[in-house]
Amino acid sequence: ELKVEQNPLFLSMQEGKNYTIYCNYSTTSDRLYWYRQDPGKSLESLFVLLSNGAVKQEGRLMASLDTKARLSTLHITAAVHDLSATYFCAVDMWDNYGQNFVFGPGTRLSVLP
Amino acid sequence: ETGVTQSPTHLIKTRGQQVTLRCSSQSGHNTVSWYQQALGQGPQFIFQYYREEENGRGNFPPRFSGLQFPNYSSELNVNALELDDSALYLCASSLQLGQGLETQYFGPGTRLLVL
Repeated sequence: ELKVEQNPLFLSMQEGKNYTIYCNYSTTSDRLYWYRQDPGKSLESLFVLLSNGAVKQEGRLMASLDTKARLSTLHITAAVHDLSATYFCAVDMWDNYGQNFVFGPGTRLSVLP
Repeated sequence: ETGVTQSPTHLIKTRGQQVTLRCSSQSGHNTVSWYQQALGQGPQFIFQYYREEENGRGNFPPRFSGLQFPNYSSELNVNALELDDSALYLCASSLQLGQGLETQYFGPGTRLLVL
């Protein structure tokens, strides 16, 4: 059974600081996704990481994937209040029923002034 | 705006009833996935449809069923509603190429309350 873990689950940080969110998964997958969700809203796609060593950056967020370690990171540089949200990683895999998609529990980020 | 729409936005049902939720995919996308998100939790994958065929299923009982239509819009049907079915139901539209999905675009969701 594929399991996806995120660390930390809650993160409170000051504006201007850097931090990293970690996503571990339990079985082989070459695709990892990062999403953002604002309170009461739907999910917004941030990154799709398609291969080992993939690195993508958008603004203050940078995501990377190490498929051998089954680890992805989401690095936040010089945080601003607008980044406050819940961040989910997700992994897809193929099983006996076809494609399966497993999300992590989410990291709730609060950026304080 | 992702171009993915869902209806209704909110719904209240009682235990034992049946419900149908609808999703209209983004133009050009051939895959739709449905998720259940309980309050404070990550989305749980229900199933996925690719070109009108079920292409994957999560750990949900058979009373959760779906359809995808030729225009790639989709329905999620839930029979014999239980209190624990209360959640936000999200559909996501994407273009499947090869073995994996490209970016999934999520609709705004349907919030279902079962009393």
